[in-house]
Amino acid sequence: KNEVEQSPQNLTAQEGEFITINCSYSVGISALHWLQQHPGGGIVSLFMLSSGKKKHGRLIATINIQEKHSSLHITASHPRDSAVYICAVRNFGNEKLTFGTGTRLTIIP
Amino acid sequence: NAGVTQTPKFRILKIGQSMTLQCTQDMNHNYMYWYRQDPGMGLKLIYYSVGAGITDKGEVPNGYNVSRSTTEDFPLRLELAAPSQTSVYFCASSRDREGRNYGYTFGSGTRLTVV
Repeated sequence: KNEVEQSPQNLTAQEGEFITINCSYSVGISALHWLQQHPGGGIVSLFMLSSGKKKHGRLIATINIQEKHSSLHITASHPRDSAVYICAVRNFGNEKLTFGTGTRLTIIP
Repeated sequence: NAGVTQTPKFRILKIGQSMTLQCTQDMNHNYMYWYRQDPGMGLKLIYYSVGAGITDKGEVPNGYNVSRSTTEDFPLRLELAAPSQTSVYFCASSRDREGRNYGYTFGSGTRLTVV
């Protein structure tokens, strides 16, 4: 069973700061997802990646397959980035997702 | 394009009552999923479906039932509600198996409390 750990659990930063959220997992995977859960509860898919790096606007996701580690970066953070960010890994074999417990990000104006 | 629509958003049930959580998607996705999210825990898969008429158990299916009579609808039925079923429930869909190439679309969630 894959163990997915996210760090930090909670992060508070000032508007404009560069943000890094980390995700590590214990067993090899076929892909990794980053999700954003808004304060109202809805979940949005941000990225899906199996190697390298992806960028969308101010968000950047990287993955190191050998290290079993992924990071989500937010540049020029804004209060509207305040949310819970969830990492989920797709396991080889059964292809099911294992979810992390999330990182709660608060950006202060 | 509404995406994935869940109803209701909130519900309080008494122990032993039954209810159905509704989920509808308008993207013609074959794959649909029900997850539950408990405080401090990652989402857990309850049931999933790979197409109309086909459903299968996920990680935590006990106490729940599903049906998939159409591509659009994937209701989750709770029979004899128990306090352990207090949770936030998310329905999701994907164009391909396990969102392999296109990712997932999630509904806005149903917060259920069993008292």
